[in-house]
Amino acid sequence: EAGVVQSPRYKIIEKKQPVAFWCNPISGHNTLYWYLQNLGQGPELLIRYENEEAVDDSQLPKDRFSAERLKGVDSTLKIQPAELGDSAVYLCASSALAGVSHEQFFGPGTRLTVL
Amino acid sequence: LAKTTQPISMDSYEGQEVNITCSHNNIATNDYITWYQQFPSQGPRFIIQGYKTKVTNEVASLFIPADRKSSTLSLPRVSLSDTAVYYCLVGPTGTASKLTFGTGTRLQVTL
Repeated sequence: EAGVVQSPRYKIIEKKQPVAFWCNPISGHNTLYWYLQNLGQGPELLIRYENEEAVDDSQLPKDRFSAERLKGVDSTLKIQPAELGDSAVYLCASSALAGVSHEQFFGPGTRLTVL
Repeated sequence: LAKTTQPISMDSYEGQEVNITCSHNNIATNDYITWYQQFPSQGPRFIIQGYKTKVTNEVASLFIPADRKSSTLSLPRVSLSDTAVYYCLVGPTGTASKLTFGTGTRLQVTL
């Protein structure tokens, strides 16, 4: 069974440029998450989707970040314009419909470097 | 969400049992305790989850005392490949499920 797929794995851009990350969750998983992870820190939730609906985007900096999951399957996270402080690893995770498990399946992440 | 406290780092020799304790004094009645493992350049991986007493799977055991204000992840006979960061998380499940990762415990296993 394929895991969570993310692309690209690495991205280097100059500040003020736009960037987009793509995630394809595990088949059948209704819940999709985007996290940001800074070096030496744990992941921080940016947004959570239940199917197409963003049910928790309270931590998403909406002035420059946007996300979409139009058909309730794959998702795109965009930053426009990127700032130096956005350099981090962006992780996507998915889980089956909310039940009694906290088990989320994470992708390998996209390492973003903003110059 | 309950705040968790765990050691920043731990060292162990290969073959030893490792116990990582997490403190969560303000855990709520409907909160579960979950542990994740993260290797460099990879996303976190779910290890184990529990509510009370003891939970065991093929990878680890989770011990939770009656007051649930702390929990201990036990890794039997660690190997070099267990070198990773281990995160303790506390929170409700269901539609309110939200995981808050702290800085984790960096476990270094050596020969």
